Parts: sequence; C-alpha cells; structure tokens
Amino acid sequence: GQNIDQPTEMTATEGAIVQINCTYQTSGFNGLFWYQQHAGEAPTFLSYNVLDGLEEKGRFSSFLSRSKGYSYLLLKELQMKDSASYLCAGTDSNYQLIWGAGTKLIIKP
Amino acid sequence: IAGITQAPTSQILAAGRRMTLRCTQDMRHNAMYWYRQDLGLGLRLIHYSNTAGTTGKGEVPDGYSVSRANTDDFPLTLASAVPSQTSVYFCASSDGGGAVDTQYFGPGTRLTVL
Repeated sequence: GQNIDQPTEMTATEGAIVQINCTYQTSGFNGLFWYQQHAGEAPTFLSYNVLDGLEEKGRFSSFLSRSKGYSYLLLKELQMKDSASYLCAGTDSNYQLIWGAGTKLIIKP
Repeated sequence: IAGITQAPTSQILAAGRRMTLRCTQDMRHNAMYWYRQDLGLGLRLIHYSNTAGTTGKGEVPDGYSVSRANTDDFPLTLASAVPSQTSVYFCASSDGGGAVDTQYFGPGTRLTVL
C-alpha cells in the first residue's frame, strides 16, 4: 500500500534546531514535498526534493533518501512564528500527492 | 489579487441539503484539486481536474461531484450532505497538471453538516 508516516507532535525551544522526519511508501515516486500549515490557514509550499541529498533554503532545509524512503525537514534558529503543522507529501503512480497527517511543531520560549 | 479564492468561508448545513463550494483561481493554472482535511488525517483528494473540460476521481470521491467548465473555476457539489462530510475543504491548483508541480491552496471552507 501507499503510506506517509511522520510524528504527530514535536516540541522545541526558540533559537534551537529541530528535525522532522517523514518515511514514505508510494508507487511511482516522483518527488517529495514539504508544506507548512498554520492553525486555521491553508498549507503553503516549503520545499520539493526529487533527487537524493540536502536542499537548503534559508533557515529551512530538506533532505531526501530515495533508497531508504526517507525525508526530513530541518528548521534552524527556530522562531515563535515557526509554530505550525508541517505536512509531508509524496507522489503516487497516478501523479497525485499522498499526504501525511502532519507534524504539529510547538515552539517554547 | 492573484491566487485562489474559496466561498463560503464557513457553512453550517442540514443533512440532506445540497451545497456547492466555490473555487476560483486567477493564475491560469491548468490543474485544480479538491481536498478535505480532518483532524488526525492527512489531506485526502476528493476530485481533480488536469485541464478545463476534464475531471477525475481522487481517494474519497463518493458523495461529491465536480465540473470544470473553464480554466478558472472548479466548484465542488455535495448532492445530499451527510454528517461525515463535516470537514475543512481546500481547493488547490498547479501549473502543469502533474504531481511534480507545486500545488497552491485556497484559504479553505469549514463545513459542518448537522
């Protein structure tokens, strides 16, 4: 079957670094997306990985290992505004996105 | 204003009633999608359209219908609402119609069916 797994909730401290993991099992894999979703708002695009390795974009980085079916989102220098849910999504054989349930990140001062 | 708009923002609906959720984008994107988001579950695809005039079924299409008469609009209709359709509904669009294209989301419609 197809599945996206990520932790339900994580807590981190302002100014610290946090890594949110995602494992996936999809048919016809064509890349993996990370989205951010603040409470009561729409998901917004953060990153897309299709090749193995690390993609850095400011304070946020995303890593992909296709052989391991594994990705992570790394957030550095955490700010209170980073408190949100982070959604991992992979592609299936029909080129549709399969979404994880999201990881709620709580930032404490 | 560039982006995707959805209407209504929220709605309380009696079971058995018909309801259409509206979605309009002005980015001239080819593909559009309807998702529902429920607590503890990931976004689930209801229906999609890769281009104007075509539609397809997603993971949870039962009880819903869509049409794509033009590029900009992609309404979602609940023919006879049931309480299990209580959810937050997001419309999204992407440029090329493939999953490798980034999807952009509307603000959502919060629907409660009593």
